[in-house]
Amino acid sequence: QKEVEQNSGPLSVPEGAIASLNCTYSDRVSQSFFWYRQYSGKSPELIMSIYSNGDKEDGRFTAQLNKASQYVSLLIRDSQPSDSATYLCAVQTGANNLFFGTGTRLTVIP
Amino acid sequence: DTGVSQDPRHKITKRGQNVTFRCDPISEHNRLYWYRQTLGQGPEFLTYFQNEAQLEKSRLLSDRFSAERPKGSFSTLEIQRTEQGDSAMYLCASSLAIGVSPQYFGAGTRLSVL
Repeated sequence: QKEVEQNSGPLSVPEGAIASLNCTYSDRVSQSFFWYRQYSGKSPELIMSIYSNGDKEDGRFTAQLNKASQYVSLLIRDSQPSDSATYLCAVQTGANNLFFGTGTRLTVIP
Repeated sequence: DTGVSQDPRHKITKRGQNVTFRCDPISEHNRLYWYRQTLGQGPEFLTYFQNEAQLEKSRLLSDRFSAERPKGSFSTLEIQRTEQGDSAMYLCASSLAIGVSPQYFGAGTRLSVL
């Protein structure tokens, strides 16, 4: 059984701070890793994908992947109140379905 | 490109009734996925199509659930003899069939079984 673990939070950070979200996964053959943002009552929205070890930056978001440690993280710089949402970590092997964690709820305090 | 479209957005039904949901993927996407999400949980995989072929079904997908994708375009998910435990958000996602491609989700159909 593939497992994706996230701290459910809530994680609270002040506006302008860096939010750090973490995720571990159990299946060593996992190849693709995604972060989705989900606002309350809405569907998941893709914000980052990462496929190889290291960092990938996109605007205020940085995804970090360490396959040896089976660990993927998301950093949000200069956090804004509009970043307040649940962040879902998802893991994929090949073209198959995504396995999701339960999500980390982030609150950015103005 | 209007994204993944799901219909209806909300469905309220009585226990024992049948319901059907529709998903229209992004036009050039060959792969289509169905997930179910309950409160406080991440989405759980139900089934997956590549073009018209249903390639994988989760053990979560009981005999009361059936999905189709005729002609490899839109897909339908039917739940027969609904139960209160079927109440959830049903999410459809699509992706390209080129290597590994991200999945993009529709707005979902929220089902409430009374």
